[in-house]
Amino acid sequence: NAGVTQTPKFRVLKTGQSMTLLCAQDMNHEYMYWYRQDPGMGLRLIHYSVGEGTTAKGEVPDGYNVSRLKKQNFLLGLESAAPSQTSVYFCASSYGTGGFEETQYFGPGTRLLVL
Amino acid sequence: GDSVTQMEGPVTLSEEAFLTINCTYTATGYPSLFWYVQYPGEGLQLLLKATKADDKGSNKGFEATYRKETTSFHLEKGSVQVSDSAVYFCALSDRPGGSYIPTFGRGTSLIVHP
Repeated sequence: NAGVTQTPKFRVLKTGQSMTLLCAQDMNHEYMYWYRQDPGMGLRLIHYSVGEGTTAKGEVPDGYNVSRLKKQNFLLGLESAAPSQTSVYFCASSYGTGGFEETQYFGPGTRLLVL
Repeated sequence: GDSVTQMEGPVTLSEEAFLTINCTYTATGYPSLFWYVQYPGEGLQLLLKATKADDKGSNKGFEATYRKETTSFHLEKGSVQVSDSAVYFCALSDRPGGSYIPTFGRGTSLIVHP
C-alpha cells in the first residue's frame, strides 16, 4: 500500500515549456486535490476532483489544467510554464464519503523550478 | 469566505517546554477543524481533528479543543521534543452548499532545540 505517490519529485523547466505532473493513489479514494505551497502562503488549492471524470477549479486555477480519466490518477498540466509557477506541488486524496470530517492524505510533493 | 489564521512563526523552544500554536477561523457553516504536520522534505499528514464544538482532538501528546464561541482551535503540547520540529498547519472544511472545500492556514514553523 503506497498511499499517494507523485511523479516526478523534481523538475526544472524553461519558460514556455509544458509538463504534466502525475498523482496516483491506491486507497480507492473518490476525491483528489492539487495544491501549491509557496513560502509564507501556506497551501493553496489549484484544482480538485470529486470522482472519476470530474474536475473543478480551486483558489488558483489559472495556468493549470487537470484530468481525472481514471479514479486512481489525477494529472496536473502546465501548458506554458511561467516563473510564477515555481513552487512545490502537493497532491492529496480523501475518501469522499461525507467530505467535512474527512482526512486528506498527501503525497511527498513535486518541486518545480521554472527558469 | 472561509479563512484560517495562525500565529506567525518560527516558534523556537527548548526541549520539554510547553507549546501553544494559536489558530482562529472564520466560516460560513459549521466546519470540521484539523491540524496537519509537515516534517522536513515530506508531505502533510494529519495530526488531529475535531468535528463539533467542545470536541478535543489528541495525538502524540498534542491536543486541540474546538471552541465555537471563540472560533479557535489552538494546538498545545505539554513537553516538546526535538523530533517535533516541523511546520504545523491549521485547516478547516466547511459545508457551503454541501461541497467540501478545504481551507489551510499559512503554517507555523516549530523549532525545538536540545
